[in-house]
Amino acid sequence: GAGVSQSPSNKVTEKGKDVELRCDPISGHTALYWYRQSLGQGLEFLIYFQGNSAPDKSGLPSDRFSAERTGGSVSTLTIQRTQQEDSAVYLCASSPRDRGLGETQYFGPGTRLLVL
Amino acid sequence: RKEVEQDPGPFNVPEGATVAFNCTYSNSASQSFFWYRQDCRKEPKLLMSVYSSGNEDGRFTAQLNRASQYISLLIRDSKLSDSATYLCVVNKGGKLIFGQGTELSVKP
Repeated sequence: GAGVSQSPSNKVTEKGKDVELRCDPISGHTALYWYRQSLGQGLEFLIYFQGNSAPDKSGLPSDRFSAERTGGSVSTLTIQRTQQEDSAVYLCASSPRDRGLGETQYFGPGTRLLVL
Repeated sequence: RKEVEQDPGPFNVPEGATVAFNCTYSNSASQSFFWYRQDCRKEPKLLMSVYSSGNEDGRFTAQLNRASQYISLLIRDSKLSDSATYLCVVNKGGKLIFGQGTELSVKP
């Protein structure tokens, strides 16, 4: 079946511009996660959705970052006024149920963001 | 101190070798543990969960020592295709915390 998909796969933008990154989770998965992976670094948790609500936004690095999820499916991560330090691979993952059960997370291929 | 620590490597081993990766975590309340594999410029994929009793999946064996807050992964008879970065992952209150990963390179 279809896995997690993300778009665009690559994005080059200029400092100060806004960007939107999209994630389509696996159909039927209620939990959705965003992570960021900078060059040579581990995965950094950004935000978690259960359905359309985001009970944990603790990983968002600044108020320039926001995310929403509609219809319990597609999610968009928005970065406003991008900075060069925002350059990273942004990974989305989904899992079938609430993360409290330690469910396996299935990752999308990521969006490689480069801020010039 | 990072919440999940791994030796970044790289580990360079010949085909057929046995290689062991170690990981320590700082939060004793962590509930579940995993090893993920990440190929170059690809997304992470679950390799195996880790249980207190230890578990084996073919050439891969994972162990958990809760008292020492230590997790290990053993790969026997390593193959060229095992070359990747291995991520130690801890479930802390429902949030997955990833280690930086250990890079493995298996040479002919």
